[in-house]
Amino acid sequence: EDKVVQSPLSLVVHEGDTVTLNCSYEVTNFRSLLWYKQEKKAPTFLFMLTSSGIEKKSGRLSSILDKKELFSILNITATQTGDSAVYLCAVERGSNYQLIWGAGTKLIIKP
Amino acid sequence: DAGITQSPRHKVTETGTPVTLRCHQTENHRYMYWYRQDPGHGLRLIHYSYGVKDTDKGEVSDGYSVSRSKTEDFLLTLESATSSQTSVYFCAISQSRGTDTQYFGPGTRLTVL
Repeated sequence: EDKVVQSPLSLVVHEGDTVTLNCSYEVTNFRSLLWYKQEKKAPTFLFMLTSSGIEKKSGRLSSILDKKELFSILNITATQTGDSAVYLCAVERGSNYQLIWGAGTKLIIKP
Repeated sequence: DAGITQSPRHKVTETGTPVTLRCHQTENHRYMYWYRQDPGHGLRLIHYSYGVKDTDKGEVSDGYSVSRSKTEDFLLTLESATSSQTSVYFCAISQSRGTDTQYFGPGTRLTVL
């Protein structure tokens, strides 16, 4: 059965810290991996990764994919309270284009 | 933000009653999706549509039906609501399938008593 597992489930850090969120997957016919941020409302898109080893970057956020070891990481440097959210990882199954979602990592940034 | 609205935003209903949730988009995207989100499960696909009158099942479709009579509207119906259908329901849209970003609506919180 296809699955996406995120770790840790929750994380509390102080403002200014750097965090690394993990997403591992077992999905047949992998097509892409996506990261979303959810702040008590609709998930908003962060990154889409399709190739191993190529870092995607947006401001203080970056992400990379390892298709050999079947995981991705999302890094956030110099965290701010506005980074507090649930971060969701999803893997697109190539056979039917459906997204398989992880349960999310709840990140809390303390001032 | 993508032009996606959902109605109602909150609903409380009783077991056995029919419920219809509406998703409306102004982006003219071809694909529309209904997900439910429950603690510990992430998002799970209920149904999706790839065009007017074209729909297909997702991984948790039992107890749900959908209809799409216009490009902009996608309806989710619970024919006879059960307590296990208490959840937050999200609608999403995308221009195409396959390596394309899905944009989400604000969600509907449904409580079935």
